[in-house]
Amino acid sequence: GAVVSQHPSRVICKSGTSVKIECRSLDFQATTMFWYRQFPKQSLMLMATSNEGSKATYEQGVEKDKFLINHASLTLSTLTVTSAHPEDSSFYICSATEKGVYFTDTQYFGPGTRLTVL
Amino acid sequence: DQQVKQNSPSLSVQEGRISILNCDYTNSMFDYFLWYKKYPAEGPTFLISISSIKDKNEDGRFTVFLNKSAKHLSLHIVPSQPGDSAVYFCAASARISGAGSYQLTFGKGTKLSVIP
Repeated sequence: GAVVSQHPSRVICKSGTSVKIECRSLDFQATTMFWYRQFPKQSLMLMATSNEGSKATYEQGVEKDKFLINHASLTLSTLTVTSAHPEDSSFYICSATEKGVYFTDTQYFGPGTRLTVL
Repeated sequence: DQQVKQNSPSLSVQEGRISILNCDYTNSMFDYFLWYKKYPAEGPTFLISISSIKDKNEDGRFTVFLNKSAKHLSLHIVPSQPGDSAVYFCAASARISGAGSYQLTFGKGTKLSVIP
């Protein structure tokens, strides 16, 4: 149980284009979904927290107009990198916590999406 | 300012021996700690956790120890197996008001290599 998927797993795009990454909880309803970014040999950096039906809360330094997050349902959150540039190239990982399990710290992670911007 | 620190970027251990991964934290508001295991190009997988009201939690070959006064926790894996080779992340959470789930702060990870 508690499986989170991400699509696509890899994406290569040209500079200036927008890329959408989907995060789905497959066998549970997610109260909250998190989006992380990981640089090589670095820790996972939290970008934003999103609750279903409400606006995402972005961490300091993360541009909300550049990284658009939509949490439209209890099983789907999307991250859109708008007008991508090479410096946006990174490994993006989402995670989710299970609805009904309140005040939980256990997040279930997706497999990640490798974004390369040329 | 890194609130969760894993000072050893890598660790090599012989198969069958004990692996000890260490983690230090600075934020005294942290009250729940987790260890995640991560393979390259995959998302982290939850391994084991411990609440700040405990000092030890055991699950099979994995044991986490928490020393609150020292703000230190460690993950023990015994016996170590080649399949344990991965990057291990320490994570901590502190209650945030109004949220149903708590944000995690991650360390930079320690790459464990278990040598057959």
